[in-house]
Amino acid sequence: NAGVMQNPRHLVRRRGQEARLRCSPMKGHSHVYWYRQLPEEGLKFMVYLQKENIIDESGMPKERFSAEFPKEGPSILRIQQVVRGDSAAYFCASSPGQGMNTEAFFGQGTRLTVV
Amino acid sequence: AQSVTQPDIHITVSEGASLELRCNYSYGATPYLFWYVQSPGQGLQLLLKYFSGDTLVQGIKGFEAEFKRSQSSFNLRKPSVHWSDAAEYFCAVGATNAGNNRKLIWGLGTSLAVNP
Repeated sequence: NAGVMQNPRHLVRRRGQEARLRCSPMKGHSHVYWYRQLPEEGLKFMVYLQKENIIDESGMPKERFSAEFPKEGPSILRIQQVVRGDSAAYFCASSPGQGMNTEAFFGQGTRLTVV
Repeated sequence: AQSVTQPDIHITVSEGASLELRCNYSYGATPYLFWYVQSPGQGLQLLLKYFSGDTLVQGIKGFEAEFKRSQSSFNLRKPSVHWSDAAEYFCAVGATNAGNNRKLIWGLGTSLAVNP
């Protein structure tokens, strides 16, 4: 059973381009969470999705950021018109349920660098 | 405001020595408490968690943590450190009554180096 797979591991984008980060949850997991780790800062919750639904996006910047978790395929975190301040590590986690007694498993992260 | 503080940014210990990583939190409600480890190039792995009950929690890899409500602390300990324990350690707190209880608040992490 493969773990949470994130790709790419490293992504370089020029200012103004789009970044698409992918997260394939563990088999059987229907809950996905995205976190961002800015330099010198702790992880920050961004968004919580279940299949085809956004449950909580209170941590997402209001503009340029969007996330989806379609019925088929990976969850996508999309950043439009990237700026230097978007440079960070983006982590995805998945779990089989929402309850805290179900462990969330993390991917290795995607490190986005905006030049 | 809710917060998690890991006072030690970097710690170096000798292999075989004991370890304690500090975590203090500020949270109005009864918290869920977690410790995660991140090895170089790896994702975050859950070491242990506290929800309720016994305040001394046993985790994987020989780690334990003690919840002290009076001190708002959840310090991580290991009696004898192995070289493979060198990694970044994160403390996190989550709400017990939130609709989304993965909306954790994270500390900045403590980087652990182990001398042979």
